[in-house]
Formats: sequence, C-alpha cells, structure tokens
Amino acid sequence: SYEMTQPPSVSVSPGQTATISCVGDGLARWFVHWYQRKSGRAPVLVMFEDTKRPAEIPERFSGSKSGTMATLIISGAQVDDEAEYHCYSTDINGLYKVFGGGTKLTVL
Amino acid sequence: DVKLVESGGGLVQTGGSLRLSCTTSGFSFPSYWMSWVRQAPGRGMEWVANNNLDGSGEFYAASVRGRFSISRDNAKNSLHLQMNNLRVEDTAVYFCARDVADPRGRGYFDHWGQGVLVTVYS
Repeated sequence: SYEMTQPPSVSVSPGQTATISCVGDGLARWFVHWYQRKSGRAPVLVMFEDTKRPAEIPERFSGSKSGTMATLIISGAQVDDEAEYHCYSTDINGLYKVFGGGTKLTVL
Repeated sequence: DVKLVESGGGLVQTGGSLRLSCTTSGFSFPSYWMSWVRQAPGRGMEWVANNNLDGSGEFYAASVRGRFSISRDNAKNSLHLQMNNLRVEDTAVYFCARDVADPRGRGYFDHWGQGVLVTVYS
C-alpha cells in the first residue's frame, strides 16, 4: 500500500521556524495538502495545493514542494501552533487517497 | 458559516453495525463531494470513503470496502456512513469533511466536523 512519511515529532522554541516534511512518490505528480489537528477539535486546513494558504490562516504558515518531498513551514512559531500536522495527497497513479502519519509539533 | 455535525457514534461489539450521520448547513450541499475520514487512537488519519455530487459514485478505502456504505440525502443536506461487520481496528474518531474534488474525486477537505467516536470491542 502507498504511504507518505512524516517525522513523528518536531520541537521548537517560540519565535523559531518549524519545518515539517512529508515524503511520498505521489508528491512528484499530485498536490499536497496540510491539516492541523488539536486534541478534541475539528481538523483545520492550513495549506492546500502545495503552497496556497486559506484566508483565515496566519501568514507565518507557508508550504513548499520539490520532487517527492513537501514541507510545511511555520515562521516564528507560536505556542498556539502546538498541534498535530498531517499531510494528505494521492499515490502516483491517482488512485489512493493517503495521509502521512502525522507530526506532533511542540512549541516551548 | 459552514457547519458539519456528526452523530451516531458509540460502543458496539465486533460484528455489529452503526450508522453515522453528518448534518450540514451554510453551503450548497449538492455542489460538493463529501468524505468520511477517521483517526484511530495514537494513529494518523485515514480517508474512509467519499461520494460524488448526486451520490451515484461511491469510493472506499480498501480497509472498509464491502463493509461500509456511504450515502447522501441532498434534500436534507446530510451524509451517512453505514458501518457493518465492525472490527476492533475500526475504533476511531470519524469525521465528516467537505471535499473540494475534481470530477475524478481528487482534491482536499476544506471544512470538517468535530468528529464522533466509534469504539468496537471484542
């Protein structure tokens, strides 16, 4: 089965830049999208189609992609950004919808 | 405002059934594909199923195909997931999500419900 790989955890101090990677063969062909999930709350779309930020998401969130690796970047991370972040895309043939395993971001 | 509210979760024994519902408001429901996504405790998210605008097309993850059935009622702006022959590994929080999809169902989820817990015990 197709998988996308994320680091299990990332930790930064407030004000630092957090980078969360997502690796998968399908990313070379298809868009990646990113979700933020805080415990007990609905997931929130923070980045779509590789680099597009929804209007309500702070400008400190940005995205990039090169080949089979995508990166979510939080410049000047804040304590409020602590959450799980999940990438989402499709396998190389466009058949299977897949999430990465999720990355727990700690800001302290 | 776009709202999605799930209901119908609960505790069920292996082999049992549950029917989840998602009531929506604040957008033109018939204009969007809709999906169910789940997250098991301590695990990543997993896309479960989606259906197209009129419900004529249904698509499933391999892990649930043949056991789960997605449906929608465009007149009532609601989405459903009939889950049969439940397994312990189906234990998860189930989310309803609005799917910004192309005609082949590829896209992303731009709005989600809060989720509902389904617990399957042996």
